[in-house]
Amino acid sequence: GQNIDQPTEMTATEGAIVQINCTYQTSGFNGLFWYQQHAGEAPTFLSYNVLDGLEEKGRFSSFLSRSKGYSYLLLKELQMKDSASYLCAVSDSNYQLIWGAGTKLIIKP
Amino acid sequence: GAVVSQHPSWVICKSGTSVKIECRSLDFQATTMFWYRQFPKQSLMLMATSNEGSKATYEQGVEKDKFLINHASLTLSTLTVTSAHPEDSSFYICSARSLAGGSQETQYFGPGTRLLVL
Repeated sequence: GQNIDQPTEMTATEGAIVQINCTYQTSGFNGLFWYQQHAGEAPTFLSYNVLDGLEEKGRFSSFLSRSKGYSYLLLKELQMKDSASYLCAVSDSNYQLIWGAGTKLIIKP
Repeated sequence: GAVVSQHPSWVICKSGTSVKIECRSLDFQATTMFWYRQFPKQSLMLMATSNEGSKATYEQGVEKDKFLINHASLTLSTLTVTSAHPEDSSFYICSARSLAGGSQETQYFGPGTRLLVL
């Protein structure tokens, strides 16, 4: 079966760094996506990884290891507005997105 | 970035009526659009995949006769909830896939439509 695992909830402090992990087992792999979803809103695209390594985009970075079926999203200099759910999704052999359940990130002052 | 719009953003209707939701890709052509449903504090649930000019592919458990999908052009897909009932009340979100070249096919989401059936 296909499976995406990520922690249900994490808490971090404003100004700190947090790493959200995602492990996956899918039939085929055509890339891994991270989306941010604020409460009551639709998801917004954050990053895409298809090759191993780290992709940096401002305060957010995403890492992928295909051999380990593992990715993480790294958020630096946390701001209160970063409080949201972070969704990991893998594009399988049919280019269908398999979604994780999301990680709710709570930022405390 | 790619922009996807949805209309309406909010709809309240009586039980038994039909509701049509539009999803448009504003600045790119989307050969594939996706319809999701999300209940409060739950994960996104894919309902169907819509390819331009062909019939939609529905996920298991989603009634195709109740959730009618039409993808008439490369920029427009519609979802019609027929004979809506209170249990259909949910947050409906569409996404459009942008063929950005290579193997990257990012889905960009519309803002969602909240449906409340009384």
